[in-house]
Amino acid sequence: GAGVSQSPSNKVTEKGKDVELRCDPISGHTALYWYRQSLGQGLEFLIYFQGNSAPDKSGLPSDRFSAERTGGSVSTLTIQRTQQEDSAVYLCASSLGWGRDGYTFGSGTRLTVV
Amino acid sequence: RKEVEQDPGPFNVPEGATVAFNCTYSNSASQSFFWYRQDCRKEPKLLMSVYSSGNEDGRFTAQLNRASQYISLLIRDSKLSDSATYLCVVIGSARQLTFGSGTQLTVLP
Repeated sequence: GAGVSQSPSNKVTEKGKDVELRCDPISGHTALYWYRQSLGQGLEFLIYFQGNSAPDKSGLPSDRFSAERTGGSVSTLTIQRTQQEDSAVYLCASSLGWGRDGYTFGSGTRLTVV
Repeated sequence: RKEVEQDPGPFNVPEGATVAFNCTYSNSASQSFFWYRQDCRKEPKLLMSVYSSGNEDGRFTAQLNRASQYISLLIRDSKLSDSATYLCVVIGSARQLTFGSGTQLTVLP
């Protein structure tokens, strides 16, 4: 696609429910990152994919968070048993190779846990 | 110590002013450096890459000092539309992408 596409753009869920967030990177981009940003805060690294493998999962805040990427393209970030502190904007970014020319971000999924 | 540190500001400057931001990084093996711009409630967008030789794009100049492990961004002749948060980004040897917490700039009329 022309840009990084994330869906849904907004998600309101009840505490304790599972949610799945989707990122469709730019076609041909091999590197894919997930970040989250709470209101007024900086970007918090979650996980990084190179192709389908995730060399760095160190940012996932708990075992309720998981992510996968299939076919070297679309990635899904799953949050199980959501908590209110999970409320944030979840941003996905992709790049060609290892990002020497920078990363392109999607417009994010705004998750609100009520 | 944070891997990437920025002065959070805010920087409030009048239109036409020159403003400079610095960012320091702790990993001497870091390989690539960028400045991103983030408008309120929007995703970050690449502003410019930063090279050891320095690079300039219109009113914006970025510099990298590997010896002192800092990068800088200079904005000349500030415009109202430059108001945003400026994020310093560093790519490490393991390809991890680390963001600074951002510097908030407001250009005043």
